[in-house]
Amino acid sequence: KAGVTQTPRYLIKTRGQQVTLSCSPISGHRSVSWYQQTPGQGLQFLFEYFSETQRNKGNFPGRFSGRQFSNSRSEMNVSTLELGDSALYLCASSLAPTGSGYTFGSGTRLTVV
Amino acid sequence: GQQLNQSPQSMFIQEGEDVSMNCTSSSIFNTWLWYKQDPGEGPVLLIALYKAGELTSNGRLTAQFGITRKDSFLNISASIPSDVGIYFCAGRKEGDGNKLVFGAGTILRVKS
Repeated sequence: KAGVTQTPRYLIKTRGQQVTLSCSPISGHRSVSWYQQTPGQGLQFLFEYFSETQRNKGNFPGRFSGRQFSNSRSEMNVSTLELGDSALYLCASSLAPTGSGYTFGSGTRLTVV
Repeated sequence: GQQLNQSPQSMFIQEGEDVSMNCTSSSIFNTWLWYKQDPGEGPVLLIALYKAGELTSNGRLTAQFGITRKDSFLNISASIPSDVGIYFCAGRKEGDGNKLVFGAGTILRVKS
């Protein structure tokens, strides 16, 4: 059974640009959550999607957005990139919004220069 | 910022020794999870705890959900070199859906 797949693994962008990251959950998992990991702030919750609906949102500016498609795949978008957006972006999937089996992908390493 | 206080920040122990780390919070959680993260990878779930007082083992790992629902600990017995990595606690609050709050992590280094 394939795990959570995140693409791309690495990305370098210039300040001011925008970026889209992709996450394919484990087959059958309908809940997808996104986290940002930085050395200074650790793992911070971005948002959670279930059945194409955002169910929960963390304390990030509106430049961070996401969506989920009917096949449960999810994308997150960051517009007007800032140097501080450099981080490892992790996606996690589970069967349902309140269940266990919360499995993380390997992440996308975003570097903003 | 972090809402879970995880300690210690780092540990450097001898192979074969037992290891203990814990997480505390001022908030009540209905789920406690322990993850291990290797460099360049996402966190991997080690143990999940769902009831206050619950004690669960996974091989050499044992974790407990504190009675007050505000803390949890993880023990690793007879550490081996592959235990090296960063260990995170994470908690889920009632009504917060799948949102996890993470501790800052414990860096474990093992001397062989």
